Amino acid sequence: DAKTTQPNSMESNEEEPVHLPCNHSTISGTDYIHWYRQLPSQGPEYVIHGLTSNVNNRMASLAIAEDRKSSTLILHRATLRDAAVYYCILREEGAGGTSYGKLTFGQGTILTVHP
Amino acid sequence: GAGVSQSPSNKVTEKGKDVELRCDPISGHTALYWYRQSLGQGLEFLIYFQGNSAPDKSGLPSDRFSAERTGGSVSTLTIQRTQQEDSAVYLCASSLMRTMEQFFGPGTRLTVL
Repeated sequence: DAKTTQPNSMESNEEEPVHLPCNHSTISGTDYIHWYRQLPSQGPEYVIHGLTSNVNNRMASLAIAEDRKSSTLILHRATLRDAAVYYCILREEGAGGTSYGKLTFGQGTILTVHP
Repeated sequence: GAGVSQSPSNKVTEKGKDVELRCDPISGHTALYWYRQSLGQGLEFLIYFQGNSAPDKSGLPSDRFSAERTGGSVSTLTIQRTQQEDSAVYLCASSLMRTMEQFFGPGTRLTVL
């Protein structure tokens, strides 16, 4: 599986935007970029995913570099409930891919939100 | 609607005993995954079921671990002769299809004494 690199931790203040970076320099053409987050004592939850174009949903935005070697998860206005571990994951979705379907989690970024 | 449920939420067992962990996926989801998360670690893939296809068991750490999915719905993860290093939170996830977002259950915290 292609590897991602994220900062160990980041801090933000409530109601400010947060930009969580992820490097994936060995990404292949069939890898989708997925973001999940894990709140304390809970299972992970899906945040957003994309392939080439920037993506927006009700939770966040995903900005993908033109060369796809990096991406940024954007929380437009952080709340205390957004404090979690954020995982950037490359998911192979090409036909016949051996890792097709499963998620390979790294260490993620611990986001702390200050009131 | 109901999400993924897992039982028990907590399990304490003695070294050498067998344990069974249960996962009820979201109704209609064809893909089911098991992961485990050791203290302070990221999630580790264990096994994946997709419809009636043979499961992907590539993540099972030893032959003491096995899983089955009956009737394409409920899944049971069995750990035989538990060891202390098996202590972890075991998470189950399901998705409508294997390419779609995964919905995780709350996990089962297993402690092996």
